[in-house]
Amino acid sequence: GESVGLHLPTLSVQEGDNSIINCAYSNSASDYFIWYKQESGKGPQFIIDIRSNMDKRQGQRVTVLLNKTVKHLSLQIAATQPGDSAVYFCAENTVSSNTGKLIFGQGTTLQVKP
Amino acid sequence: NAGVTQTPKFQVLKTGQSMTLQCAQDMNHEYMSWYRQDPGMGLRLIHYSVGAGITDQGEVPNGYNVSRSTTEDFPLRLLSAAPSQTSVYFCASSQGQGANFGEKLFFGSGTQLSVL
Repeated sequence: GESVGLHLPTLSVQEGDNSIINCAYSNSASDYFIWYKQESGKGPQFIIDIRSNMDKRQGQRVTVLLNKTVKHLSLQIAATQPGDSAVYFCAENTVSSNTGKLIFGQGTTLQVKP
Repeated sequence: NAGVTQTPKFQVLKTGQSMTLQCAQDMNHEYMSWYRQDPGMGLRLIHYSVGAGITDQGEVPNGYNVSRSTTEDFPLRLLSAAPSQTSVYFCASSQGQGANFGEKLFFGSGTQLSVL
């Protein structure tokens, strides 16, 4: 069945370093991917998304890379700041099927050390 | 705009009780959905709606009912609460036009539900 999973449950980085959060997915029909940030006690907040016709997309201090060959997604955060400490979720959807089902992975906790 | 508003923020129920979690959005979004979040399980889709009068099941629909009588509101009903339904519930919405359902979801702040 469909599954979206993350390689590591917790990632600890030094302030100012770059962070890389990885995500594997199993549904080869997935054509839309999205990253969310969730701070304690709050709802998930949109970071960046990417469609399957792209392999890279950049935002403000964030970059998402998509490797469809190995069904792998990553989120890169440049110059990580204490405010980046949160749980990060990847999610996938097959928008071409128009089912509206956005499926989430389990999440990676990012800890930023001062 | 208030975005996605969920009420209540906290709720304690006894096993067998029923209740409705409220969700409203003021962004005129067509697509709305309910997720539950359990420790170590990420967010799991309960039910979703692609427009008023249309609902469908997600990954974990058992024990929950939804309806979508207006574009703005998408209540989630627990018919007979069970301890396994103890969780944090999130409502989300998106513009969702055409084939873009489920993209760029905006989430509410969640409802923490405990079933004793």
